[in-house]
Amino acid sequence: NAGVTQTPKFRILKIGQSMTLQCTQDMNHNYMYWYRQDPGMGLKLIYYSVGAGITDKGEVPNGYNVSRSTTEDFPLRLELAAPSQTSVYFCASTLTSGNEQFFGPGTRLTVL
Amino acid sequence: GQSLEQPSEVTAVEGAIVQINCTYQTSGFYGLSWYQQHDGGAPTFLSYNALDGLEETGRFSSFLSRSDSYGYLLLQELQMKDSASYFCAVPNQGGKLIFGQGTELSVKP
Repeated sequence: NAGVTQTPKFRILKIGQSMTLQCTQDMNHNYMYWYRQDPGMGLKLIYYSVGAGITDKGEVPNGYNVSRSTTEDFPLRLELAAPSQTSVYFCASTLTSGNEQFFGPGTRLTVL
Repeated sequence: GQSLEQPSEVTAVEGAIVQINCTYQTSGFYGLSWYQQHDGGAPTFLSYNALDGLEETGRFSSFLSRSDSYGYLLLQELQMKDSASYFCAVPNQGGKLIFGQGTELSVKP
């Protein structure tokens, strides 16, 4: 099993550009999550999904969108990138709520 | 709402024992998790306590007291490779995991 994979690893965007961060898991997990982590800070939940076709907002959803058309994939879309979205983005998955979350390696995004 | 508090940093020497505390306020409580994150890396799961008491896994132990809304992570026989950030986290009924701000542990020779 590859676990949770994320692409790209690094990206630099200009203000106003858009991009999609990809996340895929091969563990047949129901729950998937997107977090952002600013330097020296904890993880803040952006969006999450409890199964294919179901998504919900986390603590900091503004400026982001998600979709969950399959169990495996949970892409995060940034529209009109802003410098405040410079961060490290982690995708995670778990079989059921409260269980161990498995994290991807992260995407380091800089918006200039 | 939910909030967790943990110290921002802790320093200890190799071979010592260190305890990282976490206090929480939640509207519903299902358990307390701990994650480790090395600089630049992904968080990795260490432990989960749903019931009161001590859970031991090798050099790491985690304790929970639901009546005190308090838990801690205990690291024994510290090694240099234990230098990392440690996060406590609580799941809620909706499937979310709420993380504390993290404790940066520095292990000195």
